[in-house]
Amino acid sequence: DTGVSQDPRHKITKRGQNVTFRCDPISEHNRLYWYRQTLGQGPEFLTYFQNEAQLEKSRLLSDRFSAERPKGSFSTLEIQRTEQGDSAMYLCASSLAPRGVSTNEKLFFGSGTQLSVL
Amino acid sequence: AQTVTQSQPEMSVQEAETVTLSCTYDTSENNYYLFWYKQPPSRQMILVIRQEAYKQQNATENRFSVNFQKAAKSFSLKISDSQLGDTAMYFCAFMKHWEGNMLTFGGGTRLMVKP
Repeated sequence: DTGVSQDPRHKITKRGQNVTFRCDPISEHNRLYWYRQTLGQGPEFLTYFQNEAQLEKSRLLSDRFSAERPKGSFSTLEIQRTEQGDSAMYLCASSLAPRGVSTNEKLFFGSGTQLSVL
Repeated sequence: AQTVTQSQPEMSVQEAETVTLSCTYDTSENNYYLFWYKQPPSRQMILVIRQEAYKQQNATENRFSVNFQKAAKSFSLKISDSQLGDTAMYFCAFMKHWEGNMLTFGGGTRLMVKP
């Protein structure tokens, strides 16, 4: 068990560029979550997947954001036409939940990708 | 919508002493879960303790315990015998029952444990 890994750890980009982050969950975890954390704040929920299905999206996830989990394993989060307000840490988390049942199973977080938009 | 408020931006405690972090929340739900997470400088959020709202007994995990007051919508974290490794940001979080880890977090409390 290597934990949840996120790549890259840091990303600096210019406004208007597209960026993509990757998250590798703990092996066999069927749920994967994305959260965003701005400086001095707590994380905010963005979206989550159960296997390859995206089950919930926050209204924070504008149409410039897209997340995928094509084979129910790793996930990518893409931000198109980045804005300075997108600067934040993007956290990924995973969990193992009984199939089709929404529970409060333990959540394991990665160390995040810190995005800076210049 | 739920809100979670942590009114103490920063706190400090001497090593081996006890400290209590405050958290209040607002919800119209009756069934829910409350959590405390720790975020050290490594940035990885780590679950410290969780409480089911339907349980009257306060949760404990080794040196960590909570004081859950459902009527007052209060959920404080007590850390006993504080250790240098407890230095971190602490976040209180709320989750509605059957909402699968879609957490609402408070703004955090920075805890410094001094030697």
